[in-house]
Amino acid sequence: SQKIEQNSEALNIQEGKTATLTCNYTNYSPAYLQWYRQDPGRGPVFLLLIRENEKEKRKERLKVTFDTTLKQSLFHITASQPADSATYLCALDLSNSGYALNFGKGTSLLVTP
Amino acid sequence: GAVVSQHPSRVICKSGTSVKIECRSLDFQATTMFWYRQFPKQSLMLMATSNEGSKATYEQGVEKDKFLINHASLTLSTLTVTSAHPEDSSFYICSAKDERGRGDIQYFGAGTRLSVL
Repeated sequence: SQKIEQNSEALNIQEGKTATLTCNYTNYSPAYLQWYRQDPGRGPVFLLLIRENEKEKRKERLKVTFDTTLKQSLFHITASQPADSATYLCALDLSNSGYALNFGKGTSLLVTP
Repeated sequence: GAVVSQHPSRVICKSGTSVKIECRSLDFQATTMFWYRQFPKQSLMLMATSNEGSKATYEQGVEKDKFLINHASLTLSTLTVTSAHPEDSSFYICSAKDERGRGDIQYFGAGTRLSVL
């Protein structure tokens, strides 16, 4: 069966450090992968999309890599701030239909001062 | 980015009543909207795909008679939880695809917290 795994449920880091979150998927070859941020009691907010022919994508302090051989994406937040504390979700269109997304469980990031 | 408005943000109701949740795309038209449900510390689970002008497509295990979806216009989809029971208590979130671009990005509403007593 197809699966999306985000390897840690929670990640605690100190302000200023780089946070690295992992998303692994199995039994599938997605055309793209997306990362979302979700705050408690709120809907997800789109952050970045990376396509299968892109190795890396950056947006301000965020960086995403996509290794289709390893079936893995890494999400980095550099110079992390307490305001970055949230749950980060990895999402794929597992049917490659261009329709609904399938989400990982998310990694809860806590950045402490 | 595109804006999706979801209303209400929170609803508490008695068991057996029906609850309607609205999802609107404010600055774009969306022929396709999606409804998700999220239990505490769990992932978002797709319930159904709402198609403007046609019947919704439900995921396996989701009762179409219990979760009624109407997508009557290009900017509005509604989810009605009929005869709600405590086990329906959850966080319901809608999303819409902005098809002005490549249509790959989904924009989410703020969610509706449903508590059935």
